[in-house]
Amino acid sequence: DAKTTQPPSMDCAEGRAANLPCNHSTISGNEYVYWYRQIHSQGPQYIIHGLKNNETNEMASLIITEDRKSSTLILPHATLRDTAVYYCIVRDDKIIFGKGTRLHILP
Amino acid sequence: DSGVTQTPKHLITATGQRVTLRCSPRSGDLSVYWYQQSLDQGLQFLIQYYNGEERAKGNILERFSAQQFPDLHSELNLSSLELGDSALYFCASSVDAWTSDTGELFFGEGSRLTVL
Repeated sequence: DAKTTQPPSMDCAEGRAANLPCNHSTISGNEYVYWYRQIHSQGPQYIIHGLKNNETNEMASLIITEDRKSSTLILPHATLRDTAVYYCIVRDDKIIFGKGTRLHILP
Repeated sequence: DSGVTQTPKHLITATGQRVTLRCSPRSGDLSVYWYQQSLDQGLQFLIQYYNGEERAKGNILERFSAQQFPDLHSELNLSSLELGDSALYFCASSVDAWTSDTGELFFGEGSRLTVL
């Protein structure tokens, strides 16, 4: 089973920041948190990952709580092209994807 | 383009038949992963290979088998096909099986299997 819990769906207005939460309360000390997204039926695309510190790249920011039991993916200025299913994964030997969060960007 | 190549892109076959899906990982990647995605479902992890050896097994049916060859390409064999096997089958590759910091997966575009 997936080690993460995400809301099934979220809406965000175009141009606003999209904040996608993820709970991973059973995460171990050396397990990384990874985020991917899947647009329609395309292959999932890597977004970002982190261990303890907050991370930022050209696509998104990742905020991990101090106790590492939850994280938030932030898309700073959501566009219609960000409409996708977003998966939060705690990486161990079996990379298990849950059902993710379906993000709808509203024009 | 992720660099992962899957063939065929589409496949239509009948119940009871056998098919083989092929995956070529990114150059330099040693790990290959197979996932199944049925309609409106999440990605189900099937199996992982690292440098030719099976490393992790998920919910893979006994009718399904996979292998990774010396040139690192992988094949997923599906036999005695049933209607419920209709799905998108994704292959992904990564550099390393163990190092969590280099663990991003690069996915192919999938093979869509339709069983009639």
